Amino acid sequence: AQSVTQLDSQVPVFEEAPVELRCNYSSSVSVYLFWYVQYPNQGLQLLLKYLSGSTLVKGINGFEAEFNKSQTSFHLRKPSVHISDTAEYFCAVRTNAGKSTFGDGTTLTVKP
Amino acid sequence: DAGVIQSPRHEVTEMGQEVTLRCKPISGHDYLFWYRQTMMRGLELLIYFNNNVPIDDSGMPEDRFSAKMPNASFSTLKIQPSEPRDSAVYFCASSLGGLAGSNEQFFGPGTRLTVL
Repeated sequence: AQSVTQLDSQVPVFEEAPVELRCNYSSSVSVYLFWYVQYPNQGLQLLLKYLSGSTLVKGINGFEAEFNKSQTSFHLRKPSVHISDTAEYFCAVRTNAGKSTFGDGTTLTVKP
Repeated sequence: DAGVIQSPRHEVTEMGQEVTLRCKPISGHDYLFWYRQTMMRGLELLIYFNNNVPIDDSGMPEDRFSAKMPNASFSTLKIQPSEPRDSAVYFCASSLGGLAGSNEQFFGPGTRLTVL
């Protein structure tokens, strides 16, 4: 079985400040790791994914994430946020069999 | 491609009525997922299909819920009878296998269900 824990349910931050959204996972099998973003009244969109190779993954909108196998973490970062980054962010894992498990989400609120 | 298409976008119904949600995945995708999202429970995977075959339905809450995928371009999620606690946003997503498990999911816009 797999589980995903997003350590912060709400992250308020001022515009142009850096941000880190934390994600830890557990799994008895190998998994692939994803971050999705959900804007109000919309479906989820992929931000970035880690499949293999370099542990630092760059995604859209200036976001990046680092896979840390020993700590089973996949934290999402952005060096300078914009008002438009206000959204809910989901960390997810997926097995080779295709089953996905999502975290509870982190609401990022960027204030002017 | 138009992306994942879900219908209806909104549904309001009375307790006890049958509800059918529809999904058209992206053409060529071989995985299809149904999720439910609520404030209380977050995003829950209900069931997913691979090549039209249900692979894991352990997330389906109870027998009132059923899902079918009669062909590669269409899936339904049915709730019969519906209850107020079924009120949620239901998302359909599809993805392409190949390197199994390595491909992103594309989400539809969701169906917002309200059961009175």
